[in-house]
Amino acid sequence: GIQVEQSPPDLILQEGANSTLRCNFSDSVNNLQWFHQNPWGQLINLFYIPSGTKQNGRLSATTVATERYSLLYISSSQTTDSGVYFCAVGSANAGGTSYGKLTFGQGTILTVHP
Amino acid sequence: NAGVMQNPRHLVRRRGQEARLRCSPMKGHSHVYWYRQLPEEGLKFMVYLQKENIIDESGMPKERFSAEFPKEGPSILRIQQVVRGDSAAYFCASSPMLGNQPQHFGDGTRLSIL
Repeated sequence: GIQVEQSPPDLILQEGANSTLRCNFSDSVNNLQWFHQNPWGQLINLFYIPSGTKQNGRLSATTVATERYSLLYISSSQTTDSGVYFCAVGSANAGGTSYGKLTFGQGTILTVHP
Repeated sequence: NAGVMQNPRHLVRRRGQEARLRCSPMKGHSHVYWYRQLPEEGLKFMVYLQKENIIDESGMPKERFSAEFPKEGPSILRIQQVVRGDSAAYFCASSPMLGNQPQHFGDGTRLSIL
């Protein structure tokens, strides 16, 4: 099945700093989503971005599908940005009944200090 | 416009009991997915269902676990004779159709086994 690797595994920032999180995947995708898991365990959907670029406030994301990677940018980080960031992909080449499922990366643990 | 609703949020069971987790998809969504997050790990796909049909159960443990999505009512993930290793967060997601659509996640059910 498709492989998903996220980097870095851990990231520590001071409030106000910018950061870039990366997601590499091993096959063509028909779905790519970025999530933030907050300290209460909730999964917050940040972006649905199988290709192209999107922005939402201080966050933006870019997926270069032909090169099989996606980047999540966080600008002017705040303490509330702390948590785990997951990339999840759906393989465009998954056969038959496996077409719909998402494969998650291991996540990037972000800690923002005041 | 309610999102994906999961209940209960927290469930405590003793070893050997049954656990029943419920998921109501977003209005108009006919595709339901269950994922499991073991402690300190990422999320892993378990099962994908449409109304009255299991489409892909390749991520389900072979024994004690079952899932259904009846014509009426929520999707149910059932775990029989629970063991300590079943302690995890169980997330449900839904989408309106297959492929090229984001999956919307509920807040999860935290299952603890005493």
